[in-house]
Amino acid sequence: AQKVTQAQTEISVVEKEDVTLDCVYETRDTTYYLFWYKQPPSGELVFLIRRNSFDEQNEISGRYSWNFQKSTSSFNFTITASQVVDSAVYFCALSEMGSGNTGKLIFGQGTTLQVKP
Amino acid sequence: DAGVIQSPRHEVTEMGQEVTLRCKPISGHDYLFWYRQTMMRGLELLIYFNNNVPIDDSGMPEDRFSAKMPNASFSTLKIQPSEPRDSAVYFCASSRHFDRAMNTEAFFGQGTRLTVV
Repeated sequence: AQKVTQAQTEISVVEKEDVTLDCVYETRDTTYYLFWYKQPPSGELVFLIRRNSFDEQNEISGRYSWNFQKSTSSFNFTITASQVVDSAVYFCALSEMGSGNTGKLIFGQGTTLQVKP
Repeated sequence: DAGVIQSPRHEVTEMGQEVTLRCKPISGHDYLFWYRQTMMRGLELLIYFNNNVPIDDSGMPEDRFSAKMPNASFSTLKIQPSEPRDSAVYFCASSRHFDRAMNTEAFFGQGTRLTVV
């Protein structure tokens, strides 16, 4: 069965702190994609990153970085030097490629990040 | 591109009434998805279409829910009759067919917040 677990329900940090959001997934497929989406207070879902199961290379984009480890089935997300604007709910999601698309997503329950000034 | 467009943004209706949610996907995307977000169940896929054809409706909760996609640029999700437990945010998303060389992640609309009283 496919499953995505975000064990951290809520995290609160002070601005400029680094914060890591955890994501653990379960799948029997060998080909899959992992995603992170951000949901700010305004409510929309914003795509942040996609990683495929063949590429374990970590990625950095500005203050954001992602650590993908197949050995532990984890895809963690780190925000460096957090800012108040990073306050949002962050969702990790899994897409198995058998459906031929990357929009059929299994979402985790989300982690609410609050960054205090 | 304008992105995925959903209407209305907010809908308040009385129990028993018919509700129709609308979605215009991104031009050129051949997959369309309807998701529902609730506090209890999180983000869950209701149904998705490929080239206007429903592929998987296993997430549709009851026969009161129906979805159509009469053409490549329009889809509806209808609830008839509506019940208070249908209150949720309904998201529409679209994506291209999977292609490892291209960005084929799903892009989400801003959602419709439905309240059934």
